[in-house]
Amino acid sequence: DAGITQSPRHKVTETGTPVTLRCHQTENHRYMYWYRQDPGHGLRLIHYSYGVKDTDKGEVSDGYSVSRSKTEDFLLTLESATSSQTSVYFCAISDPGLNYGYTFGSGTRLTVV
Amino acid sequence: DAKTTQPTSMDCAEGRAANLPCNHSTISGNEYVYWYRQIHSQGPQYIIHGLKNNETNEMASLIITEDRKSSTLILPHATLRDTAVYYCIVRVAESGANSKLTFGKGITLSVRP
Repeated sequence: DAGITQSPRHKVTETGTPVTLRCHQTENHRYMYWYRQDPGHGLRLIHYSYGVKDTDKGEVSDGYSVSRSKTEDFLLTLESATSSQTSVYFCAISDPGLNYGYTFGSGTRLTVV
Repeated sequence: DAKTTQPTSMDCAEGRAANLPCNHSTISGNEYVYWYRQIHSQGPQYIIHGLKNNETNEMASLIITEDRKSSTLILPHATLRDTAVYYCIVRVAESGANSKLTFGKGITLSVRP
């Protein structure tokens, strides 16, 4: 979708282990976002970035960190995964061609056991 | 960003037009109306957006009332693949920190054969 890919697509990990999810874009857009989606809660913003090394927290940032060392890559890290972080994670970019509407990746389904 | 109100669900027959309403009575003059949809297990997909004029693209038409307090997304010939959750979102068209895309619960459209 519009040059945005997420990896891995699926992951199962154990409680307490670190996990890193990757979002890669080929569009050279400045703004990137990480959301999680859970039944009954809809899409909730975790962190976002407005440029290399510029990031900020969203509404559900506890337990997550992010890094953006290159324009094209936005990494989401769960320092010590917990079962409450079992979710589907979506990355998005803000597209000037859509009047800054978002283009989303296909998602990463993470299960913490 | 202005809040939106959508019905919880609706259905329509395959091949007929699906008209999805959205109320945004507190919309500001510089806020756009965006529509997204999410098909089960996939990332949200951009459909269309508009400021005050009606808009049409290959996916849908967007009708915005003259006072801009409500809008309707029209899928002219609904197919089974249009079954999804549709989100109406109002926000300013910029990529700054204050224009994050906030998703509500959306409306579930079920297209029946």
